[in-house]
Amino acid sequence: GNSVTQMEGPVTLSEEAFLTINCTYTATGYPSLFWYVQYPGEGLQLLLKATKADDKGSNKGFEATYRKETTSFHLEKGSVQVSDSAVYFCALLFEQGAQKLVFGQGTRLTINP
Amino acid sequence: DAGVIQSPRHEVTEMGQEVTLRCKPISGHDYLFWYRQTMMRGLELLIYFNNNVPIDDSGMPEDRFSAKMPNASFSTLKIQPSEPRDSAVYFCASSLGHRQYFGPGTRLTVT
Repeated sequence: GNSVTQMEGPVTLSEEAFLTINCTYTATGYPSLFWYVQYPGEGLQLLLKATKADDKGSNKGFEATYRKETTSFHLEKGSVQVSDSAVYFCALLFEQGAQKLVFGQGTRLTINP
Repeated sequence: DAGVIQSPRHEVTEMGQEVTLRCKPISGHDYLFWYRQTMMRGLELLIYFNNNVPIDDSGMPEDRFSAKMPNASFSTLKIQPSEPRDSAVYFCASSLGHRQYFGPGTRLTVT
């Protein structure tokens, strides 16, 4: 079936460090891939997306590239800030027009000043 | 735009009581989703609607849970009777296209 696996957290980094959060997926067909972010006390919000292989999604300094050959969509940021502290969710959307997202388990990120 | 609106934001109730959570999606969105989030189980999709019609309720944990969408601007999730294991944050989300917009959530505590 379709599934998403994220690296286990929590992840703790110092400000200005480089960030990578790994995400791999299993899916039939060609899903669209997403990263959502959840700040404390809030609902999830879309951070970035990619709809086909080799697409790169980017937003707020974060990037992720849709790698079909490795079935991965790793999230990266070159220099994190304290305000990036949140829970990050990788997700996929089935190909066949369904609107149901499949989420990973989430990775809690804490950035220390 | 006010975004997805959920009420109440916090609910504390006793075991056995009926609980009703409410959601107002973003105007014009044609999909509505109900999720539950707990530390143990993460984020779970309970049910979703398309144009007010339930499409997939396979995530609804048991018959104590029911959801309705009587019109395009309102949905409810009801738990009757509630149990302590239902304590969680419940999110409503709506979408037009692939991007889902989440509400702030309702934190439910069942004692």
